[in-house]
Amino acid sequence: GENVEQHPSTLSVQEGDSAVIKCTYSDSASNYFPWYKQELGKGPQLIIDIRSNVGEKKDQRIAVTLNKTAKHFSLHITETQPEDSAVYFCAATRSNDYKLSFGAGTTVTVRA
Amino acid sequence: DAGVIQSPRHEVTEMGQEVTLRCKPISGHDYLFWYRQTMMRGLELLIYFNNNVPIDDSGMPEDRFSAKMPNASFSTLKIQPSEPRDSAVYFCASSSWTNSNEQFFGPGTRLTVL
Repeated sequence: GENVEQHPSTLSVQEGDSAVIKCTYSDSASNYFPWYKQELGKGPQLIIDIRSNVGEKKDQRIAVTLNKTAKHFSLHITETQPEDSAVYFCAATRSNDYKLSFGAGTTVTVRA
Repeated sequence: DAGVIQSPRHEVTEMGQEVTLRCKPISGHDYLFWYRQTMMRGLELLIYFNNNVPIDDSGMPEDRFSAKMPNASFSTLKIQPSEPRDSAVYFCASSSWTNSNEQFFGPGTRLTVL
């Protein structure tokens, strides 16, 4: 099955700086890579996703990049704000499979 | 839309007792997923349904766990008998076949088994 590794496990950044989280996956057939944000006491929420036919996708301050050859993808958050503090999870799956394999999560803390 | 609804939000029980967790998916969604989240194992998929039919239950840890979906708007996850190692946050998520990869999570049920 798919194995997703996520780094770092914790990340502390100064407000306004950028944050980068990296994930690697093992199944070369995986072609859908979502990122979820989980705030304290809530369920994970999809914030951005990318499919294997594109290398980069951006949505305001959030961007995701994908390197299929190296089997890794990254989440980039620019101009971080206190509300960006949360746990972020990467995941991978095949588009015709409904089983998401999640990374272990990254706890992001934005210092004011 | 109210989103995915789970109840109870918190459950404290004693070892050996039966526990039932409930989920109401988003109206119109035809996929329903049950996850368990712990510090040690992260987010684990336990089982998922399509059109009320269980498709993959390979993540169900053992026979003490069972899940049902009697209709499109309701699902239960039952643990009988419960054990302290079952303590975790249990999430229900739903999705639609038109965008089946995007899963919408409920707020979770925090289960503590003493």
